[in-house]
Amino acid sequence: ILNVEQSPQSLHVQEGDSTNFTCSFPSSNFYALHWYRWETAKSPEALFVMTLNGDEKKKGRISATLNTKEGYSYLYIKGSQPEDSATYLCAFGGTGTASKLTFGTGTRLQVTL
Amino acid sequence: KAGVTQTPRYLIKTRGQQVTLSCSPISGHRSVSWYQQTPGQGLQFLFEYFSETQRNKGNFPGRFSGRQFSNSRSEMNVSTLELGDSALYLCASSLSHRENEKLFFGSGTQLSVL
Repeated sequence: ILNVEQSPQSLHVQEGDSTNFTCSFPSSNFYALHWYRWETAKSPEALFVMTLNGDEKKKGRISATLNTKEGYSYLYIKGSQPEDSATYLCAFGGTGTASKLTFGTGTRLQVTL
Repeated sequence: KAGVTQTPRYLIKTRGQQVTLSCSPISGHRSVSWYQQTPGQGLQFLFEYFSETQRNKGNFPGRFSGRQFSNSRSEMNVSTLELGDSALYLCASSLSHRENEKLFFGSGTQLSVL
């Protein structure tokens, strides 16, 4: 059974704070690592898909890094805004696995004024 | 371009009944995967269909089944419903079955089993 862990489980920050979350995944049979943002009452929306060790992706104030050798990825949000409030999911795609993607349980971020 | 459409949005059933959920992918997407979300759990993979063939199946009992039609629309069926089947069921489409393709999710079907 694949284990994809996310930490922290939840986070409460003030507007303007920068924050980061961690996703840990198996370091063997790696193919891709996805990040999704899931706002309440909406559908999960893809942020990044990363495939190479050392990959760094950026979208506005959000960025992500990938370390496939040690099996972790970080998601950073710079200058958090209330509209960043959401659950952030990571998902591991491996070679030879029985699952399309294995999702973590998510980090729930709440940004207050 | 229309997004992924799931119907119905909400469903209430009783134990022992069966249910069919529908998913229409984004035009041109050939892969449809299904996930179950229950409180406290991450998205649990149910199955994936690509070109009308089931590629992968998650660790769910045989009561959960699915299929994909030639137009890539997919249905999942749950027979002999149990209380524990109450969950949000999400489908997602992607261009191909490759794991480096981003998924586009529907709004989900919220199933309540009484």
